[in-house]
Amino acid sequence: GQNIDQPTEMTATEGAIVQINCTYQTSGFNGLFWYQQHAGEAPTFLSYNVLDGLEEKGRFSSFLSRSKGYSYLLLKELQMKDSASYLCAVMDSNYQLIWGAGTKLIIKP
Amino acid sequence: IAGITQAPTSQILAAGRRMTLRCTQDMRHNAMYWYRQDLGLGLRLIHYSNTAGTTGKGEVPDGYSVSRANTDDFPLTLASAVPSQTSVYFCASSDKASGGTDTQYFGPGTRLTVL
Repeated sequence: GQNIDQPTEMTATEGAIVQINCTYQTSGFNGLFWYQQHAGEAPTFLSYNVLDGLEEKGRFSSFLSRSKGYSYLLLKELQMKDSASYLCAVMDSNYQLIWGAGTKLIIKP
Repeated sequence: IAGITQAPTSQILAAGRRMTLRCTQDMRHNAMYWYRQDLGLGLRLIHYSNTAGTTGKGEVPDGYSVSRANTDDFPLTLASAVPSQTSVYFCASSDKASGGTDTQYFGPGTRLTVL
């Protein structure tokens, strides 16, 4: 079967750095996405990785290792507004997105 | 304003009733999707449409139907609602044919409660 694993919940301090991991086992791979979802709102696109390596976008970076079936989202200089769920999703061989259950990130002052 | 709209925002429905959730996008995206999101589970694909006039089944299609008469609209119908269909429903769209990343963009969601 297809599976996306990510931690259920993480806590971090305002101004710090946090890394959210995602491991996957899917039938084929056509890219990995990270989305942010604030409580009661829609998911919004953060990043996309299809090749190995690090993609940096402001305070957020995303890393991919296809051989290890592994990705992480790195958030720097955490702000209270970063409190949200972070969803990892992999596009499989049929070009359908397989979603993880999401990681709820709690930021403390 | 460009984007995706969904209606209604929320709904309480008696079991056995028929219900249509509406979704409209103005980005001229060719592909559209319906997901449900339940606590502790990832988004699960119900149905999708890669282009107007075509539809396909996702991971959890039973009890739901869709149609895609034009590019902009993709309604989801529950023929006879059951309590297990209580969920938050998200519509999404993507520009599948452009050769880009096929990023999906989401509507604000419909919170449905079936009693």
